[in-house]
Amino acid sequence: DAGVTQSPTHLIKTRGQQVTLRCSPKSGHDTVSWYQQALGQGPQFIFQYYEEEERQRGNFPDRFSGHQFPNYSSELNVNALLLGDSALYLCASSRRLQGFNQPQHFGDGTRLSIL
Amino acid sequence: TQLLEQSPQFLSIQEGENLTVYCNSSSVFSSLQWYRQEPGEGPVLLVTVVTGGEVKKLKRLTFQFGDARKDSSLHITAAQPGDTGLYLCAGEDIWANTGNQFYFGTGTSLTVIP
Repeated sequence: DAGVTQSPTHLIKTRGQQVTLRCSPKSGHDTVSWYQQALGQGPQFIFQYYEEEERQRGNFPDRFSGHQFPNYSSELNVNALLLGDSALYLCASSRRLQGFNQPQHFGDGTRLSIL
Repeated sequence: TQLLEQSPQFLSIQEGENLTVYCNSSSVFSSLQWYRQEPGEGPVLLVTVVTGGEVKKLKRLTFQFGDARKDSSLHITAAQPGDTGLYLCAGEDIWANTGNQFYFGTGTSLTVIP
C-alpha cells in the first residue's frame, strides 16, 4: 500500500520562474493539503483540495495555485518565484468522512531552492 | 492567524532521562495532533487527541489535551536515541463543513545522547 508520493524530491529554480510540484495521495484518500515548511520552522498551510475544488486556503498570495485531478492526485503551482519561496513543500492526504479529525499522512516533500 | 507555541525549542538530554514538551495557544481547536519529523522526511503522525482533558499513551509517550482544548503536552519516559527528531503539534480548525485546516507549532528539536 503506497503512501503519499511527491515529485520531484529536489528542484532548483531561479527568481521569476514558475514551478509545478506533484502529489499522489495514499490509496483510499480523497483530500489533499499542501504545506510550506521553511528551515527550522513548522509547516504552514497553503490550501486544501477536495472533489477537485480548493476548499480552504491559508495566508499565501495568489502566486500559489493548485489543482486536483479526478484520481485525487494534486499539483501545486508557484509563479514568479521569489528567494523566500525556498522551502520544503509537503503534501498531506486524508479521507474525508462525516466530521473531520481524520489523520493526515504526509509525503517526504519536495525541497525547492531558489537562486 | 492561530498560533501554536512550543517549548522548549531545543532539547538535548541523556538516554534514560524523562522530558516534557509543551504546546500552547490562545485558540480552541477541534483536535490536536502530534507528529515526529526526521531530516529529509515528512512528519509522521503519533497521536490525535480530541476531547478536553484526554490522555493517550503510546508506549513511553504520554499525550495530554488541555481541558479547554487550547494546549497540549507530550511526556517521554526513559528517552532513547531513537526518539531523536523534530516534534510538532498541530491544531485542527474545522471550517463550517467546507474543510479543515491544521496550524502547526514552531517545533521542538529533541536530541537524545546515548
